[in-house]
Amino acid sequence: NAGVTQTPKFQVLKTGQSMTLQCAQDMNHEYMSWYRQDPGMGLRLIHYSVGAGITDQGEVPNGYNVSRSTTEDFPLRLLSAAPSQTSVYFCASRKPGTTDTQYFGPGTRLTVL
Amino acid sequence: DQQVKQNSPSLSVQEGRISILNCDYTNSMFDYFLWYKKYPAEGPTFLISISSIKDKNEDGRFTVFLNKSAKHLSLHIVPSQPGDSAVYFCAASEGSNYKLTFGKGTLLTVNP
Repeated sequence: NAGVTQTPKFQVLKTGQSMTLQCAQDMNHEYMSWYRQDPGMGLRLIHYSVGAGITDQGEVPNGYNVSRSTTEDFPLRLLSAAPSQTSVYFCASRKPGTTDTQYFGPGTRLTVL
Repeated sequence: DQQVKQNSPSLSVQEGRISILNCDYTNSMFDYFLWYKKYPAEGPTFLISISSIKDKNEDGRFTVFLNKSAKHLSLHIVPSQPGDSAVYFCAASEGSNYKLTFGKGTLLTVNP
C-alpha cells in the first residue's frame, strides 16, 4: 500500500492563479481531510469528507473548495490564490469509527507570491 | 480561541533522561486525546492516544497522562533518545466527531 499520497510536493503560484492539490489513499478509508500548517499555528482543519459525495467545512474553509467523487481521491482546489494561503498542506485519511488511525500524507508546500 | 494549548514551543533534554510534554484544553466536550510526532518535511505520525475514561496509557517508552479535572494531559518519554527529536502535537476530538483540534506543537530536542 502506498498509504496517503499528495502531489505536488512543492508549488509556487502568483496571486489570483488557481490550482488543485491532489490527495489519494489506497486504504479504502471513508474519512479524509485537509489541514494547513502555518508557522506557530499547528494544524488547522480546512475541509473534510466522511465518504464519497459528502464534504463539510472545517475551521478555515474560506478560499478552498473540495469534492469527493471517489473513496480514493480528495482534491483541494484554490480558486484564486492569495498570499495568505502560503502554507504547508496535509491530507489525511482514516477508518470510520476510530480516531487514532489517522494517516497523513507527506504534505504540499505552497507559496503564493 | 485556542481550544488545545501547548504552551512550551520547545524543550531540550539529555539523552537517557525523561521528556515531559504538556498540553491543556478548554473544551470540556473533548473526550479523546492524541499525540502526533512530526519530522521536518514529513506528515505527522500517530504516537499514542488516551480516552477520557482513562487517566493513563502506556506504549513502550511513551506514556500519556490525563487529568480531566485540570483539563491537562502530558506525554512522558523515558528514556529519551536522539531519534525522538521532532515536533510533538497534542490533538483532541469530541465524541464521534471525526474532526481533530491540534495544539501548536512543541519542538523536542534530545541531545546526545
